[in-house]
Order: sequence, then C-alpha cells, then structure tokens
Amino acid sequence: DAGVIQSPRHEVTEMGQEVTLRCKPISGHNSLFWYRQTMMRGLELLIYFNNNVPIDDSGMPEDRFSAKMPNASFSTLKIQPSEPRDSAVYFCASRQGRVKKLFFGSGTQLSVL
Amino acid sequence: QQQVKQSPQSLIVQKGGISIINCAYENTAFDYFPWYQQFPGKGPALLIAIRPDVSEKKEGRFTISFNKSAKQFSLHIMDSQPGDSATYFCAASISQGNLIFGKGTKLSVKP
Repeated sequence: DAGVIQSPRHEVTEMGQEVTLRCKPISGHNSLFWYRQTMMRGLELLIYFNNNVPIDDSGMPEDRFSAKMPNASFSTLKIQPSEPRDSAVYFCASRQGRVKKLFFGSGTQLSVL
Repeated sequence: QQQVKQSPQSLIVQKGGISIINCAYENTAFDYFPWYQQFPGKGPALLIAIRPDVSEKKEGRFTISFNKSAKQFSLHIMDSQPGDSATYFCAASISQGNLIFGKGTKLSVKP
C-alpha cells in the first residue's frame, strides 16, 4: 500500500489567496484526521471524519478553514483567505475501524507570505 | 485536563547512551498511551504504545515505563544510535477518542 498520500508537498502563497490541501487515505481506513504542526503549538487536531462524516471540528481555528470528505478516498482542507499565521505543516492521517494506530502522510509545508 | 505535558523540549545524547523522555497527564480516563517518532520531512509514525494495566512495555531498544498513580509515562531508548535522531511525541486518548499529543522532544544522538 502507498500509505497516506498528501499533495502538494510544499505550497507557497500570498496572503489573501485560497489554499487547498489534498489527502488520499489508506484504502479501507474509515477515519481521517487533519493535523497542523507548528513549533509553538506542536501537533494540533483540526478536524476528523468517520465514514466520510465530520465528527469533531472543534480544532478548526476559524471560519477561514473548511474541510470536506466527498468520498472514502479523498479529503480536502481549504483555507480562504490565507494569512501568514497559517504557515505550518499540515498532516493528514487515517486509521481503520477500532484500531488505534494512526498512519500519517508526509505533510504539506504551507508558507503564506 | 486534556493536555499531555512532555519534557524535555530537546535532548542531546552520546551514542550508546540512554535517552529518556517524560510525559505527564491529568485526565485519568486516558487508556491508551502511544509514542510516535518523526524524522525530518516525514509524518509521525507509531513507535510503541502501552495501556494503563501494565507498568512497562519493551520492544527492542525502546521501553515505555508507566506510572498510573503519578499519571506519568516515559520513553527510554537504550544504546541510543545516531539513526534514532528524530522528534518524539507522546500521546494519550480515551477509548476510540482522538489522540492528544505532547509538544514533542527533538532528540540528537551524537556519534
């Protein structure tokens, strides 16, 4: 299996632009998580889906952030408009059923200038 | 009460030495305590995990020690190697709940 696939690996954009991050979970995994990693705050859970349904989005920082999971093999995290303080590494992770092990993608390094 | 506090923030160890990273938690409902290892440019990967009904779990050179009464757990890396240089995260969760991560410890093992 190819693991969790995220794209793009790096994104540089200007303040005010829309940013879309993409994730393909491991086939057969029914839970998907979006995390943000910064030096100051570590790994923060933004939102997670179970069977394509958003279960907990309490970590989404503000209305500029939105996430969707239209099917079991694809999810997006959108930031509109982006701000410099959104600069971070964004990780997608997935897991299967009641198994607790999380599988992370390699992340998207986002820089908002 | 949902926090997991991790220390130290960074750690330098000589090759062959023992690396020790500590975590503390408040929520006694936590029942799953994993450690994740992250190399630069990669996502975290599960290293080893423990449940609160055991006090120690060992896998190769990696050992988790768990102290339920003190609400603390630690990762010990024996015979540390330069290849162990990475960032280590402790975490905790309740049943099928989300993982709450510590802020990470950057380990450097000097040859």
